[in-house]
Amino acid sequence: DQQVKQNSPSLSVQEGRISILNCDYTNSMFDYFLWYKKYPAEGPTFLISISSIKDKNEDGRFTVFLNKSAKHLSLHIVPSQPGDSAVYFCAASRGNQFYFGTGTSLTVIP
Amino acid sequence: KAGVTQTPRYLIKTRGQQVTLSCSPISGHRSVSWYQQTPGQGLQFLFEYFSETQRNKGNFPGRFSGRQFSNSRSEMNVSTLELGDSALYLCASSLVSGRVEQFFGPGTRLTVL
Repeated sequence: DQQVKQNSPSLSVQEGRISILNCDYTNSMFDYFLWYKKYPAEGPTFLISISSIKDKNEDGRFTVFLNKSAKHLSLHIVPSQPGDSAVYFCAASRGNQFYFGTGTSLTVIP
Repeated sequence: KAGVTQTPRYLIKTRGQQVTLSCSPISGHRSVSWYQQTPGQGLQFLFEYFSETQRNKGNFPGRFSGRQFSNSRSEMNVSTLELGDSALYLCASSLVSGRVEQFFGPGTRLTVL
C-alpha cells in the first residue's frame, strides 16, 4: 500500500528552466512533508520540508508547494542546473514514521 | 561533524544465511531508522529506534530485527535470507524522533544469491 506516490519516474529539463517534481499522498493525517535528493552510491540528502499548516516554503532555488485539499506536493527548482541531476524522493510523516515515494530521476541538460 | 556511517558497504550472502548490518549515527543523534530500497519500491520503512527502544516498525516479516545500543549505534539483522531481500539498506539518524529531517548514510548493498 503505497501512501506516497511519485508517478513520474523520470524528468528531463533544459538548464536554466524550471523543474517541477510532483508527489501525491493518500493519508490526510500526514503533517510533515520533505524532499530528499539522492546521487548514485550516496544516501539521500535532505533538501527542503514543509509543515501541513503551510502551503509554501522557499529556500533559494527550491520551493515546495503543498495542496492539502488535493493531497499533492510539488518541488520547483528555478533555475535548474546540471548539478541538480539526481533522484528526488518526496516523503511524508505522521508521528515518527516516514513514508517515501518511489523517486523521480531528474536530468538537467546543459 | 562526521556523518552517518554504515558497515559493510557491500555484502554477498546465500539463501538461508543471516546477516547483520551496522549503523553509526551522527554524534548526538538519538534516533536511528532503517529503510530498504529496491527498484520501483522506493524507500520502505523497516523500524526506528530511539534511546535503545524500538518506537515504530514497518510492515516487514519477523526475520527482520534490530537493536540500538547505549551509544546510539544500531544494528539490523536479517535471518533466513531470501532472494527478495537483495536491496540497498539505508540507515538514517536524527536528533529526536518525529518531525525532523533525517540524515542518511550511504547504505549497505546486500546481494542474496
